[in-house]
Amino acid sequence: GDSVTQMEGPVTLSEEAFLTINCTYTATGYPSLFWYVQYPGEGLQLLLKATKADDKGSNKGFEATYRKETTSFHLEKGSVQVSDSAVYFCALIGGGQAGTALIFGKGTTLSVSS
Amino acid sequence: GAVVSQHPSWVICKSGTSVKIECRSLDFQATTMFWYRQFPKQSLMLMATSNEGSKATYEQGVEKDKFLINHASLTLSTLTVTSAHPEDSSFYICSASNSEKLFFGSGTQLSVL
Repeated sequence: GDSVTQMEGPVTLSEEAFLTINCTYTATGYPSLFWYVQYPGEGLQLLLKATKADDKGSNKGFEATYRKETTSFHLEKGSVQVSDSAVYFCALIGGGQAGTALIFGKGTTLSVSS
Repeated sequence: GAVVSQHPSWVICKSGTSVKIECRSLDFQATTMFWYRQFPKQSLMLMATSNEGSKATYEQGVEKDKFLINHASLTLSTLTVTSAHPEDSSFYICSASNSEKLFFGSGTQLSVL
C-alpha cells in the first residue's frame, strides 16, 4: 500500500542554519504530497503542498519540490528561526484511490536554538 | 483561530473506564471526519472515516466495538474509547473535511492508568 518515509529526528539546528528534512513516498498513481507542521500545543496545520510532478510548494520560507523520478518531497528552508521549532509531517493522498484520508510519515521534530 | 476544535486536549483515566473525545468543525460543514492515532515515534495512523449520518468505516485492525465513532451532525464527531486499557494510551487526532477543506484538531493525549 501507499506509504511515506521521512527522516527520523530530532533535528537540532542553530538559528539561521539551513534545514532539510527528507521525505520519500511509495504510492500507486499520482499522489498529492503535503507537509504539515504541528507547533507545541496546537493542531496540525498545512504548511505546503504539491499536486503533480515538478510542482514546488512554498510557504513561510519553506519549500518542497515534487520529484516523481526519485519519489521524494524533501522540505527545505534556507534560514531557520527559533519559531520554526515544531514537528513536521510529510503526507500524501494516494492518486489511485478516492477519498481524502492522508497517509503520514512518523514526523520529524525540529528544535532551533538561538 | 482554530477551525477544528478537539476536546479534551489530554485525559487521564483508570483502566476499564470509557473516554469520549469530541471533534467540532467551527466554521464549515464537515461531510467527512477522520480519526487518527499516533503511538510514540510512530506515524499518524488512520483509524476510521466517518460520513455524517452513516456508520464509520474502520481500518483493518481497529476494533469498532472498542472505538465507537458517532458523526451525528455536520459539525460534530465523537470518538469513545470504551473500557480503556493502558495499551490504548496514545495521541488521538481528528480531521474534518468537505470537498474543499481539510483541517485538523489539536489532538488528545490519552493516558490510561
